[in-house]
Amino acid sequence: GESVGLHLPTLSVQEGDNSIINCAYSNSASDYFIWYKQESGKGPQFIIDIRSNMDKRQGQRVTVLLNKTVKHLSLQIAATQPGDSAVYFCAENKSSARQLTFGSGTQLTVLP
Amino acid sequence: ETGVTQSPTHLIKTRGQQVTLRCSSQSGHNTVSWYQQALGQGPQFIFQYYREEENGRGNFPPRFSGLQFPNYSSELNVNALELDDSALYLCASSLAGPAGNTIYFGEGSWLTVV
Repeated sequence: GESVGLHLPTLSVQEGDNSIINCAYSNSASDYFIWYKQESGKGPQFIIDIRSNMDKRQGQRVTVLLNKTVKHLSLQIAATQPGDSAVYFCAENKSSARQLTFGSGTQLTVLP
Repeated sequence: ETGVTQSPTHLIKTRGQQVTLRCSSQSGHNTVSWYQQALGQGPQFIFQYYREEENGRGNFPPRFSGLQFPNYSSELNVNALELDDSALYLCASSLAGPAGNTIYFGEGSWLTVV
């Protein structure tokens, strides 16, 4: 079936470096994508979203890139901080359905 | 803070029992969705409620049911609990409309079935 998945289950980066978390999706009908951050014991926290008519969107220290040709989504975090350590999920949404489909997540660990 | 509140935060139930989880959506949000998140996995869509009616359902059996009230708050009910129902149950709220309306999650209710 169609699904959203992540390339790497874990990612470790040095504090201050940039982080890149990747996500592949297979449903070409998806038109909205969201990145969530989930800290241990908490619910998913909205980070940034992007619609399928865009290739790039920037937020505070974060950038999401969407490549529809290869069905790839990435989250870039600039100057990674210890507070960025968490599991990051990408999720897709189709305008014809209200549900989000999540990948399995990437654990980001920021090293001192 | 997302403005989505859930209760209780933690609970333990025995196999075969029933459970009710509650959610208050963010102010102004008329759509509530419920997700189940097993340990180490991403959230799985259970169902969504809009204007007090079910508006989409994932691959969950009928013993998972819900309600939405006129104030847009919602309940998730699970009957005949099974050990595999142990998970974090997440409520998410949004404003109905074209895809792209931000979906906010609560902190979840941790359910343990023993």
